[in-house]
Amino acid sequence: NAGVTQTPKFRILKIGQSMTLQCTQDMNHNYMYWYRQDPGMGLKLIYYSVGAGITDKGEVPNGYNVSRSTTEDFPLRLELAAPSQTSVYFCASSALGQGGAEAFFGQGTRLTVV
Amino acid sequence: AQSVAQPEDQVNVAEGNPLTVKCTYSVSGNPYLFWYVQYPNRGLQFLLKYITGDNLVKGSYGFEAEFNKSQTSFHLKKPSALVSDSALYFCAVKDSGYSTLTFGKGTMLLVSP
Repeated sequence: NAGVTQTPKFRILKIGQSMTLQCTQDMNHNYMYWYRQDPGMGLKLIYYSVGAGITDKGEVPNGYNVSRSTTEDFPLRLELAAPSQTSVYFCASSALGQGGAEAFFGQGTRLTVV
Repeated sequence: AQSVAQPEDQVNVAEGNPLTVKCTYSVSGNPYLFWYVQYPNRGLQFLLKYITGDNLVKGSYGFEAEFNKSQTSFHLKKPSALVSDSALYFCAVKDSGYSTLTFGKGTMLLVSP
């Protein structure tokens, strides 16, 4: 059972470079989320989507973009990487909104911007 | 606004002893409350949730949590800790008027043999 799959697992970027973090789920979940996790700070929501073609900003969206062309995929785009974007990024999905059903998380992408 | 607090950065307990990881929340409507666990280099895994009903919620791996509306708390408990329970635990809350969860900062649980 694949669940939520994130690629890559690790990446080092130089300041100003761009990259896309990939996320795909095979559970036919409508809801998908991107979080970043910083030490001692918990998880902060970057963007979320309630279905294909619909995305919305979370708590910390600046410097990121997303798209949701299919139910399965929810890529996160970093434009002009900055050291402040060094973090661990998690993608998650749920069958219902977050009040109704638990979220399933990917294993994370550890990103370092130097 | 919705918020959640985990007042302890770390909890230490000996194997076989009961454990409690604390969580308090603030919402203006009815709360939806969750506990997740994160093992090293892994994503978060769902443990249990409170939506409505019985204040004592039972979850995975022998964990349970008690919803206390008057104290706005949702503490995670287990009667007998295992070394394998050592991990980072997150409490999360969603107000009935919001669309997404707010996570606490996490509490590291260390169970010694």
